[in-house]
Amino acid sequence: AQKITQTQPGMFVQEKEAVTLDCTYDTSDPSYGLFWYKQPSSGEMIFLIYQGSYDQQNATEGRYSLNFQKARKSANLVISASQLGDSAMYFCAMREGYRADSSYKLIFGSGTRLLVRP
Amino acid sequence: GAGVSQSPRYKVAKRGQDVALRCDPISGHVSLFWYQQALGQGPEFLTYFQNEAQLDKSGLPSDRFFAERPEGSVSTLKIQRTQQEDSAVYLCASSFGTGAYNEQFFGPGTRLTVL
Repeated sequence: AQKITQTQPGMFVQEKEAVTLDCTYDTSDPSYGLFWYKQPSSGEMIFLIYQGSYDQQNATEGRYSLNFQKARKSANLVISASQLGDSAMYFCAMREGYRADSSYKLIFGSGTRLLVRP
Repeated sequence: GAGVSQSPRYKVAKRGQDVALRCDPISGHVSLFWYQQALGQGPEFLTYFQNEAQLDKSGLPSDRFFAERPEGSVSTLKIQRTQQEDSAVYLCASSFGTGAYNEQFFGPGTRLTVL
């Protein structure tokens, strides 16, 4: 079973508008973390935002915010005021198992390619 | 720079050749991860080191894949007798601590093409 599902292979957004990238996850672990990464064409994974399963408030980092709906197991990324430089692949990832022996590996979704139109 | 570096950035190998991919983590980072990213897919976990100890190798796809970090800093991922299905980008990531909240910093990756 897929642990991280990103159902939008590609998205378009007009420059300066907001866009929501969807992510749903599956875990039975009560403690987990959710991450969004940006991967431009250069290939490097750039950390954007983090949400812990026990965090009461939705995470925000500048133009990025995470719409965390725990009961629905969704962690959508909202990018406000899109810029041309936001065109990239976006990956949702989960880290589960906050145990002493955990490797804390990241489990990634298949990604969403965002294209910002001028 | 102070980021994670990987070399080579690109590697072309003939099927059956052995390859070695190098990762230089951020200085002082205890945890080191290797991921494999196939074209059009998200990265998939291969293995994890805490200092020099390889604590999780559950993601290594076969016994042709071997990783080491002998002095707890630089790591090498070795693939023996490469196959076409090994073609992918290999990403290395490091984090300062061992806890769950430690952010993983990724290198630029090594793109391996097996002909």
